Amino acid sequence: DAGVTQSPTHLIKTRGQQVTLRCSPKSGHDTVSWYQQALGQGPQFIFQYYEEEERQRGNFPDRFSGHQFPNYSSELNVNALLLGDSALYLCASSTGTANEQFFGPGTRLTVL
Amino acid sequence: AQSVSQHNHHVILSEAASLELGCNYSYGGTVNLFWYVQYPGQHLQLLLKYFSGDPLVKGIKGFEAEFIKSKFSFNLRKPSVQWSDTAEYFCAVNGDSNYQLIWGAGTKLIIKP
Repeated sequence: DAGVTQSPTHLIKTRGQQVTLRCSPKSGHDTVSWYQQALGQGPQFIFQYYEEEERQRGNFPDRFSGHQFPNYSSELNVNALLLGDSALYLCASSTGTANEQFFGPGTRLTVL
Repeated sequence: AQSVSQHNHHVILSEAASLELGCNYSYGGTVNLFWYVQYPGQHLQLLLKYFSGDPLVKGIKGFEAEFIKSKFSFNLRKPSVQWSDTAEYFCAVNGDSNYQLIWGAGTKLIIKP
């Protein structure tokens, strides 16, 4: 049974570019949350998708957007990249209203 | 504002020592509390969780945590640590009907063999 998978593993972009990160949830899970983890800090909640809708959003600008597909997989898009967007981006999946979240390995984004 | 504070950023212990990692939160209302662990080179994984009931919860690998509502605390404990417990430990909280997890900054634990 595959856990949460994310792609790509690493990504290098330059300022101003756009990036798309992908996540496949654990089998049986229908909810996907995205987090940003800067070096030396805990994860920061970006948003959560459920039933293909953004259910809740953290304190991130509109440059951060997402999508959830009918098969529950999800994408995180970041436009107009800034140096400060360099971080580990984590995807977590869960079921419906369950609080326990299962995490993927993350995508390390470096913005030069 | 909702927040989670972990008291120590780095802890170094010898094998067989007892461990207590502090976690305090600021959150109005009913809370759900979690400890996650990240072993070197691995994903974040759930160590234990508290939703309701007995405030002393037991998790994997001999870890336990106690929820003290009056102190807004959820400290993690282990009576005797092993070298394999070397990892980073994160405390997190959310509230009922609030889907986002609020995280502490993490505690890096190093166990000397």
